[in-house]
Amino acid sequence: NAGVTQTPKFQVLKTGQSMTLQCAQDMNHEYMSWYRQDPGMGLRLIHYSVGAGITDQGEVPNGYNVSRSTTEDFPLRLLSAAPSQTSVYFCASRQGPSNQPQHFGDGTRLSIL
Amino acid sequence: SQELEQSPQSLIVQEGKNLTINCTSSKTLYGLYWYKQKYGEGLIFLMMLQKGGEEKSHEKITAKLDEKKQQSSLHITASQPSHAGIYLCGADWPLNTDKLIFGTGTRLQVFP
Repeated sequence: NAGVTQTPKFQVLKTGQSMTLQCAQDMNHEYMSWYRQDPGMGLRLIHYSVGAGITDQGEVPNGYNVSRSTTEDFPLRLLSAAPSQTSVYFCASRQGPSNQPQHFGDGTRLSIL
Repeated sequence: SQELEQSPQSLIVQEGKNLTINCTSSKTLYGLYWYKQKYGEGLIFLMMLQKGGEEKSHEKITAKLDEKKQQSSLHITASQPSHAGIYLCGADWPLNTDKLIFGTGTRLQVFP
């Protein structure tokens, strides 16, 4: 079972470049989320979606866009990359609302020079 | 998230020792999750707690949620090198808004 798949696993960008981090899940989960992980900061929620066509902001949404055209896919876009966006990005999904655990992808390690 | 405080931030223990990691909130927790992350990898779900006073165990790991549902602890008995990693608590925040937020994590090292 694939679960949550993130691509790419590693990426280096220059300041100002744009990029899309891909996330796909094959569990038919309605809820999907993007987090970033920085040293000493734990996981911080960027954006999340409760179903196709519905997205909302998390704790740190600035500089990121998302869309949810299908249940399976939830891409994260960096329109103009900044060094402060250097981080490890995790995509997660869960079947329903609260009281259900999230399933995580393996992460994308992104460096902005 | 500062709304979920974890302590300690890091822990170094000798193999065979017991240890406890705490997760504290100023608000009532609805759905408390514990995850483990091996260095450089994704998060693995360990346990979920929902009710005040609830306790769950899996192998040598026990998680508890206090009666007020504002604090959870994760206890590892007779630690092994395989327990090393980052432990994160997460919570549904606030109830029914579909956001799951996390604490700052506890880095555990176990040496022989």
